[in-house]
Amino acid sequence: QMQLQQWGAGLLKPSETLSLTCAVYGGSFSGYYWNWIRQPPGKGLEWIGEISHSGTTNYNPSLKSRVTISLDTPKNQLSVKLSSVTAADTAVYYCARGQLPVGRGLINWFDPWGQGTLVTVSS
Amino acid sequence: DIQMTQSPSSLSASVGARITITCRASQTISNFLNWYQQKPGKAPRFLIYAASRLQSGVPPRFSGSGSGTHFTLTITSLQPEDFATYYCQQNYNAPVTFGGGTTIEIK
Repeated sequence: QMQLQQWGAGLLKPSETLSLTCAVYGGSFSGYYWNWIRQPPGKGLEWIGEISHSGTTNYNPSLKSRVTISLDTPKNQLSVKLSSVTAADTAVYYCARGQLPVGRGLINWFDPWGQGTLVTVSS
Repeated sequence: DIQMTQSPSSLSASVGARITITCRASQTISNFLNWYQQKPGKAPRFLIYAASRLQSGVPPRFSGSGSGTHFTLTITSLQPEDFATYYCQQNYNAPVTFGGGTTIEIK
């Protein structure tokens, strides 16, 4: 049973860079698409972006100028960096596996998910 | 971006009740619609894909239907563990987007 475990700094000041890592255990890293999704406190879910097992990325246009998703394949880990954070970036951040690239009229879903990491941006 | 609108945003129901949640897309998404369940402090749990297909292990009291722009999630005979927030998600176009959620509370 594949499990995703994530970690990273939970408290940032405005203008700093958010950095989170997600490790994949119990299954193949290859052949899937690895996503980051966030959820502001008490609000809904927002897709941040994805990276394929070969390193191809696709980002939400609303965050594209500030986000970078990368892989460390030997370690079965993926990471996300979000620069110039503001209070609006305060959220629980999740990593999640996709079967295929998002959109494109494909039957695809997010499963499993990491446990979530609360990141708070405050001066 | 495709906007996903869920209704109601919350509802109260009793154990054993049948409930239906609606999800509407701002444009047609065929059947590229997923449903997730989320409990407080937990990550979402994947329930249904392609509008109506149950993920392995999901109880048959959950069902989904719809296509185009109108979708529903129905739970027959609510169980105590079903009280949670439910989200729809479209996978027709990137960026994929989620509905605002429907919270089912115990009456």
